[in-house]
Amino acid sequence: AQKITQTQPGMFVQEKEAVTLDCTYDTSDPSYGLFWYKQPSSGEMIFLIYQGSYDQQNATEGRYSLNFQKARKSANLVISASQLGDSAMYFCAMREGRDAGGTSYGKLTFGQGTILTVHP
Amino acid sequence: GAVVSQHPSRVICKSGTSVKIECRSLDFQATTMFWYRQFPKQSLMLMATSNEGSKATYEQGVEKDKFLINHASLTLSTLTVTSAHPEDSSFYICSARGIPGNTIYFGEGSWLTVV
Repeated sequence: AQKITQTQPGMFVQEKEAVTLDCTYDTSDPSYGLFWYKQPSSGEMIFLIYQGSYDQQNATEGRYSLNFQKARKSANLVISASQLGDSAMYFCAMREGRDAGGTSYGKLTFGQGTILTVHP
Repeated sequence: GAVVSQHPSRVICKSGTSVKIECRSLDFQATTMFWYRQFPKQSLMLMATSNEGSKATYEQGVEKDKFLINHASLTLSTLTVTSAHPEDSSFYICSARGIPGNTIYFGEGSWLTVV
């Protein structure tokens, strides 16, 4: 079963407008972390934002914010004031389990990705 | 700057040969590193978990004899694609867990083309 689902293969947004990229997840573990990464055509994975399952507030990092709705198991990424340089593939990912020093901690499961295109 | 360095960034090799990809943590010790594979316009799929000083843990369906992983030190993990074939052509990327544990750093990735 797919643990991380990104239902938008592609999204288009006008420069300077906001855009929401959807992500839903499935886990029975009460402790987990959700990540968003940006992957430009060069391939590098650029960390954008993190939300822990026990975090009370939605995470924000500059123009990025995470709309975390725990009951719905969704963790949508909101990019405000889009820029041309935001055009890239965006991945939502989940880490399960609490840090107990286990060797599998840090393993991420990724969604299918969303290609965001920002138009001038 | 990069905290996880991966080399080479691009490599072309002949079918049947082996190629080694290195993943280094630059300013921290990484007892565990992860290797992912990504085909064009697809998601990252975990191949294996690399543990310093012990055998790697491979995901289901990944051939351990074909994708050899060595984690000989606290800062270096290597992935060797043995007897490479054109279908092994892909983007390979490593990651390492930082401190605190919610920081996961990725290398720059390696584009492998087997001709």
